[in-house]
Amino acid sequence: IAGITQAPTSQILAAGRRMTLRCTQDMRHNAMYWYRQDLGLGLRLIHYSNTAGTTGKGEVPDGYSVSRANTDDFPLTLASAVPSQTSVYFCASSDSNAGELFFGEGSRLTVL
Amino acid sequence: AQSVSQHNHHVILSEAASLELGCNYSYGGTVNLFWYVQYPGQHLQLLLKYFSGDPLVKGIKGFEAEFIKSKFSFNLRKPSVQWSDTAEYFCAVMPYGNNRLAFGKGNQVVVIP
Repeated sequence: IAGITQAPTSQILAAGRRMTLRCTQDMRHNAMYWYRQDLGLGLRLIHYSNTAGTTGKGEVPDGYSVSRANTDDFPLTLASAVPSQTSVYFCASSDSNAGELFFGEGSRLTVL
Repeated sequence: AQSVSQHNHHVILSEAASLELGCNYSYGGTVNLFWYVQYPGQHLQLLLKYFSGDPLVKGIKGFEAEFIKSKFSFNLRKPSVQWSDTAEYFCAVMPYGNNRLAFGKGNQVVVIP
């Protein structure tokens, strides 16, 4: 089934550890995004990529980094996790001409 | 930066009641507008979208939304809700030519059977 695959689905992590959330799409969409979802705050954009080889900062980029080596993959890395990064992380992609975002199933991350 | 406002974060209503969720945005240029729904434990799914044309758009599951440019609003409506409409609803705005969505904080809707 075409779509977006995120891994892991859930992870508990000690503060200070490095963590990479993986995201792969098979729709050949140009644009990809990482959002975090927190209760009462909705979805906030962390980083985005308009096309392979380019990335940009969103609303809440601090403590996160991304790379876009190819069209399909857009990993999100927490270099040194902190408890405030406990959240549900959603990866999304879009054919930038259509505007609609397609979301993955989410990765629930708990930092202790 | 554009912002998106959704009011009445928590809504509780009975089956067959009508639902209206407000959405206002603060961007002066041309925008594309979206409503997404997130059912419990699931990812976000597109409910409906407005790019241009008829300001009254119809989406899936009997939902509709009306774009009122003068009020910078894109309110979501459903005449008669069902228990299965229990979900969180997010309004989102994408300025024309900028493919980044800004989301509102969401409306948690609970429909009581």
